[in-house]
Amino acid sequence: NAGVTQTPKFRVLKTGQSMTLLCAQDMNHEYMYWYRQDPGMGLRLIHYSVGEGTTAKGEVPDGYNVSRLKKQNFLLGLESAAPSQTSVYFCASSQGQLYQPQHFGDGTRLSIL
Amino acid sequence: EDKVVQSPLSLVVHEGDTVTLNCSYEVTNFRSLLWYKQEKKAPTFLFMLTSSGIEKKSGRLSSILDKKELFSILNITATQTGDSAIYLCAVEATGGFKTIFGAGTRLFVKA
Repeated sequence: NAGVTQTPKFRVLKTGQSMTLLCAQDMNHEYMYWYRQDPGMGLRLIHYSVGEGTTAKGEVPDGYNVSRLKKQNFLLGLESAAPSQTSVYFCASSQGQLYQPQHFGDGTRLSIL
Repeated sequence: EDKVVQSPLSLVVHEGDTVTLNCSYEVTNFRSLLWYKQEKKAPTFLFMLTSSGIEKKSGRLSSILDKKELFSILNITATQTGDSAIYLCAVEATGGFKTIFGAGTRLFVKA
């Protein structure tokens, strides 16, 4: 029972490099989310999706892009990484928007040098 | 601006102690409040609260919501070392997608 799987688990990038974080869920959930977690700031929503083929901006979307080509997958892209994007990134999914707990992946620790 | 504030930020107790974690919020169009436990990796769901005064309980953990005073507490009785974690409070609201997380309370239980 995998739940939400994130790859990679760790990555170090140089400023200006690009990369894609992958998130896959096997619970047939409609909603998927990308958060970043920084010390003392809690989880902040980057982008989210309410279904296959849809995406929307969250609280801190600048510098990131996302795609949801398949219901089970949600990709987060960094086109030109910056040191300010050093963080732990969490993907989550839920069956609905309200009154539904979110199920989280184990996170990706990303360092930008 | 919507906000969720948790206190204390960190807490160290001994096994067997009882702890109370606090979450206060100022969120427009409140719908529900959720508690999550985050050990080393993924946050895991503990409770969802939607109505004032109704306690949710699971083993040694319990939580209650006060919608008039805009806060919730999470109680852990007879703490164990396995309770060491970050406890996150989140508030869901309508009017556009919105889930606001607090910064978390880091609990450390000493053996």
